[in-house]
Order: sequence, then structure tokens, then C-alpha cells
Amino acid sequence: GEDVEQSLFLSVREGDSSVINCTYTDSSSTYLYWYKQEPGAGLQLLTYIFSNMDMKQDQRLTVLLNKKDKHLSLRIADTQTGDSAIYFCAELSGYSTLTFGKGTMLLVSP
Amino acid sequence: DGGITQSPKYLFRKEGQNVTLSCEQNLNHDAMYWYRQDPGQGLRLIYYSQIVNDFQKGDIAEGYSVSREKKESFPLTVTSAQKNPTAFYLCASSTNTGGEQYFGPGTRLTVT
Repeated sequence: GEDVEQSLFLSVREGDSSVINCTYTDSSSTYLYWYKQEPGAGLQLLTYIFSNMDMKQDQRLTVLLNKKDKHLSLRIADTQTGDSAIYFCAELSGYSTLTFGKGTMLLVSP
Repeated sequence: DGGITQSPKYLFRKEGQNVTLSCEQNLNHDAMYWYRQDPGQGLRLIYYSQIVNDFQKGDIAEGYSVSREKKESFPLTVTSAQKNPTAFYLCASSTNTGGEQYFGPGTRLTVT
């Protein structure tokens, strides 16, 4: 079945780059998404990438997709304390619903 | 202001009672979804609806029910048959299934 895996925790210093990784299993995935969740809040759509793309850049965010290895990453440049949150990777496939990973908690220290 | 609203933000119920969580959107989206989130877990799909008067079970539909009588509204009822109802519930919508989903602020349900 479908499964999305993420590392659970990442800690960086303010100003550094953060890279959050995700692997997925469904080769028929069409879109892959990154969402951000702050404590006690809903999910905020950060960015997404279509499966025929290798890279997408949006201001401080860079998404890389390696379709052969089914690996997705989100790079946040110049990470700020306000970037501290849980980041979810999600894939769209099959019955057109999203399958989410368990989330990576990013902690940014001053 | 377009968006998705969920009410209430916090909800407390006694075991054995049914409870209904509200979800409203004014984005003119056709598809709506309900997810459950437990600590340290990802989101698990409870139900989704692609169009008014139609809905499908997700991965963990047992103990829940929904209705979709209006495009804007997709209420979720947590019944007494749900064995572990305490969780954070998130509603989302998209232009159609397959589009990016936008989330409401969530309702934290505590059942004692």
C-alpha cells in the first residue's frame, strides 16, 4: 500500500539551511505537497511539485524530487525561529486523496 | 475573507455521547475532507466528499458519520461507537479531488 516516511525531528541554528526529507512508495503519484503546522493550528500549504518536475523554487523554499528513488526534499534557506513547526510531506495518488507522512518537527534555535 | 472555519476550537464530551463538529467553507470548493490527528501521528482520512449529497469512507471511518447537504458545509459526527474519540480533527477542502487541499484551524475533542 501507499506509505510516506519522514524523519521525526530536525534541529538547526537560525540562519542555517534546513533540509527535510521524505520518501514515498507510490510510483503513480502525480503531485507531492509540503505543509506546515504550527502548534494547535491547522495545516498551511507551503508548496507542491508535479511529478514530471525535478525542482521547484519559491523564495526561501526549494523542493527537489528524485522520482527514481521516490525521494522528496524541502530546503528552507536562511531558517528563522518562525520556521519552527511540524512539516508534513503528502502524496496525491490512487483515489485522488492525499497520503501524509507523520511529520518532521523542525526546531530553530537562536 | 475566503477560508475554512471549524467550530468550536475545543470541545469536551462525556463518553457515550455523540458529538458533531462543524466545518464550513466559502471557497466554492467541490471537495471536502475530514482528518484525524493524534500526537506524533500524521493525518488519517476519515471521510471525504467530492460533491453535494455524496461522500466516501476514508481509512478510519468506523465510529464516524458525515453529511453533505450543502456545498459549503460538511459536518462530522463522532458517535459513541468510536472507541478512542479524543483527538485533533481537521477539515479541508479543494476545488476537486486531486487539487491542493486547504485546511481549517481544527477542533480538539476531548472525551472523558
